[in-house]
Amino acid sequence: DVKVTQSSRYLVKRTGEKVFLECVQDMDHENMFWYRQDPGLGLRLIYFSYDVKMKEKGDIPEGYSVSREKKERFSLILESASTNQTSMYLCASSSTSGRFGDTQYFGPGTRLTVL
Amino acid sequence: QKEVEQNSGPLSVPEGAIASLNCTYSDRVSQSFFWYRQYSGKSPELIMSIYSNGDKEDGRFTAQLNKASQYVSLLIRDSQPSDSATYLCAVNQIYNFNKFYFGSGTKLNVKP
Repeated sequence: DVKVTQSSRYLVKRTGEKVFLECVQDMDHENMFWYRQDPGLGLRLIYFSYDVKMKEKGDIPEGYSVSREKKERFSLILESASTNQTSMYLCASSSTSGRFGDTQYFGPGTRLTVL
Repeated sequence: QKEVEQNSGPLSVPEGAIASLNCTYSDRVSQSFFWYRQYSGKSPELIMSIYSNGDKEDGRFTAQLNKASQYVSLLIRDSQPSDSATYLCAVNQIYNFNKFYFGSGTKLNVKP
C-alpha cells in the first residue's frame, strides 16, 4: 500500500519564523513534489526533486527552499514565514517507470497558518 | 493560456444520474492523463489514469481521451452523494521530469 506522510496536519507559526515541513514516502520513488493549494488557484508547484540532492524550481519557488538528503525524505523550508504563505501544503511522490510515467501519490497535507 | 482547463462548477446532479466532467489541455505532447478526487480538507486521491485514445472503464467511472481534440472527460454513472467532491484533471509531461499540471478542479454536488 502506497504511503506518503507529512510531519504535521496543522501548523501555526508567526511571521518571520523559519518553518520546516517534512515529507516521507515509503515507495522508493525517485520523484518528489511540493505543492500549495489555495481556493480558486488550484494546485501550484513550488519545488520538485527527481533524485537525492537534486532539486528544480516549480512555478512559485519564491520564499521557499527544499532539501533532499535521502531518497525517501523531501523537506520544504520557509526561510522567513509571511502571512501570504498561509495555505494547504501538499507533498507528492511518483516513480520514473514505464513508458508513460507514473501516478503522483499525495500525502495528507499540512494546513499552515502564519500569524 | 493555462496548461489544463476545467470548468470550476459547481456541477449539480441528482442521485442516480450520470455526472460528466470535462477537461482540456494545451500541450499536444502530453501522454498521460489522470483524474483525482478531492474531498474538502483532504488531499487528492487517484481515481483513474488513461494513456490511449478511447474509453477506459473502472466500476462506475469511465475516462475518455481524445488526443486530437486535446480533451479528457470523466463520467460517473449512478452518482451517489458520496461522490460529492472536487475533481481534478491532471496531465503528465513525462519528458519534463514527470511533472504534473493540474486543472483548478470541478466541484460536483450530488443531491439525494
